[in-house]
Amino acid sequence: EDKVVQSPLSLVVHEGDTVTLNCSYEVTNFRSLLWYKQEKKAPTFLFMLTSSGIEKKSGRLSSILDKKELFSILNITATQTGDSAIYLCAVEGSGNQFYFGTGTSLTVIP
Amino acid sequence: GAVVSQHPSRVICKSGTSVKIECRSLDFQATTMFWYRQFPKQSLMLMATSNEGSKATYEQGVEKDKFLINHASLTLSTLTVTSAHPEDSSFYICSARPDRYEQYFGPGTRLTVT
Repeated sequence: EDKVVQSPLSLVVHEGDTVTLNCSYEVTNFRSLLWYKQEKKAPTFLFMLTSSGIEKKSGRLSSILDKKELFSILNITATQTGDSAIYLCAVEGSGNQFYFGTGTSLTVIP
Repeated sequence: GAVVSQHPSRVICKSGTSVKIECRSLDFQATTMFWYRQFPKQSLMLMATSNEGSKATYEQGVEKDKFLINHASLTLSTLTVTSAHPEDSSFYICSARPDRYEQYFGPGTRLTVT
């Protein structure tokens, strides 16, 4: 059964902290892994990862994929209250099928 | 864990015909379901919010007469693409929320209009 599991389910940190969000997967014929940020209803695309070991970076956010161990992490450094959101991980498998995790709810308090 | 299913997983139809896509929450009740369309470059566009027993709320720019949404029960929402055109070809995804902060996505439906 294809699945994507994210952890932790929720996280509360103080501004300035660094957080690491995890996404593990078991998906047939892996094609790519995507990270989204969801603040209200529609997720915003963050990263797409296809190759192991290559870090993708955008400002304070970075992500890396391990295709051997079947997981990805999303790091956020120097967190701000605006980082509060649900972070979704999705994996594309065979037939362009997408499998979403349930998300990690991040709350950053001042 | 909570499961959301979509049917069909992929469909090919001719231009001008209508296609219905079902979204079901299999082991929980969802008063609210969302319909998304996935575009190239991975962006997900929210099309509408479907509320059980009431009319769907459409996002700006989404034609409500073309994309008919019905939330017939607490476990079923349907999206009907009417008079489909090739530009409607896309990946349609639904999600459902129980009364918690989690959101569960369906596996998506690949629509190809020829």
